[in-house]
Amino acid sequence: SYELTQPPSVSVSPGQTARITCSGDALPKQYAYWYQQKPGQAPVLVIYKDSERPSGIPERFSGSSSGTTVTLTISGVQAEDEADYYCQSADSSGTYPDVVFGGGTKLTVL
Amino acid sequence: QVTLRESGPALVKPTQTLTLTCTFSGFSLSTSGMCVSWVRQPPGKALEWLALIDWDDDKYYSTSLKTRLTISKDTSKNQVVLTMTNMDPVDTATYYCARGYSGSYGDAFDIWGQGTMVTVSS
Repeated sequence: SYELTQPPSVSVSPGQTARITCSGDALPKQYAYWYQQKPGQAPVLVIYKDSERPSGIPERFSGSSSGTTVTLTISGVQAEDEADYYCQSADSSGTYPDVVFGGGTKLTVL
Repeated sequence: QVTLRESGPALVKPTQTLTLTCTFSGFSLSTSGMCVSWVRQPPGKALEWLALIDWDDDKYYSTSLKTRLTISKDTSKNQVVLTMTNMDPVDTATYYCARGYSGSYGDAFDIWGQGTMVTVSS
């Protein structure tokens, strides 16, 4: 089955830049999406279609894509950004796209 | 304001069938491009997509769980129902419903319910 691979954890100090990657063979053909999830809360969409930011999401959140890897970048990390981050895409190898989530990355703000 | 709320039993026994209801407001599932999905998350683990139903009543299921899942909608009641058969303790998770709207965000789920915790135990 199709998998999206994320690093289990990323740690940065406040004010630094955090980069969280997500790798998958179908990413050159399918958009990626990113969600932030804080403990006990539902996920929140922070990036859609690889690099677009929904209204209300701070500008420090950005997304990019290169080949089979997409990257969520958080510039000037703040303590409130500490959360789990999940990428989402689709497996287009079957008869219809199967939605897939990555394993999640825990961002720790030191 | 778009909201979604999940409801259903907090505890089910192994082999039983789970029925969850997602009641939403602020949008119509009759609108072209609109969909509602179910996603679950076992305690301490990652998100797992389960099923999706769209404005045209097309239904899509996780390949690994499709034999156990049924999704349906009642547009007049603004509800989406998910049933999962033959429940097992490994199905213990928080179950979320979420909206998708391809007209704005592609295949993303832009609004999520608060989730409902389901425990499978005898």
